[in-house]
Amino acid sequence: AQSVTQLDSQVPVFEEAPVELRCNYSSSVSVYLFWYVQYPNQGLQLLLKYLSGSTLVKGINGFEAEFNKSQTSFHLRKPSVHISDTAEYFCAVSEGTGNQFYFGTGTSLTVIP
Amino acid sequence: EPEVTQTPSHQVTQMGQEVILRCVPISNHLYFYWYRQILGQKVEFLVSFYNNEISEKSEIFDDQFSVERPDGSNFTLKIRSTKLEDSAMYFCASSTLAWSEQFFGPGTRLTVL
Repeated sequence: AQSVTQLDSQVPVFEEAPVELRCNYSSSVSVYLFWYVQYPNQGLQLLLKYLSGSTLVKGINGFEAEFNKSQTSFHLRKPSVHISDTAEYFCAVSEGTGNQFYFGTGTSLTVIP
Repeated sequence: EPEVTQTPSHQVTQMGQEVILRCVPISNHLYFYWYRQILGQKVEFLVSFYNNEISEKSEIFDDQFSVERPDGSNFTLKIRSTKLEDSAMYFCASSTLAWSEQFFGPGTRLTVL
């Protein structure tokens, strides 16, 4: 089974500073990668996805992520965060042969004014 | 924009009681899922459903759980005899393809007393 690791459980960052949220997964022949955001008391909203093609993918709200197959990573980045980015961020992986998503434990991003 | 809806938003029940959690997936989606998130833990896959049958299930999804698509719009998760450890947020999701992005509902918070 796939294993997804989000190394940072909590990331505090000042407003307008850059941020990187890390995600690593266990190796597989082909994977599809996703980042979801969960605002307080809400469901999971898709930020971005990697299915194929360019390894740098752009999502909503100015976020982007880079798929690195050799390092089995899919780190999420934003060059300048806003207060409204405060939320829980989940990395998810889907294998080509199955349809369940494997989620990481989540990273709580807190943007400090 | 179409979205996945779930009812109720919060369900409180006594241990040993049956509960049914309801979901209305996005209308043209073909794959349906249930996940759960125990407080402070990661989102865990329970089951996927396609073409009126279970396509994949996790070891969490034991005989106490069942899913059903009783009509053309609803997708339900039944827990036959709830246990304290079933207390969690339950998310429904749907997708067009088996490996594509999954759209999540806002969740039902189940509290077992």
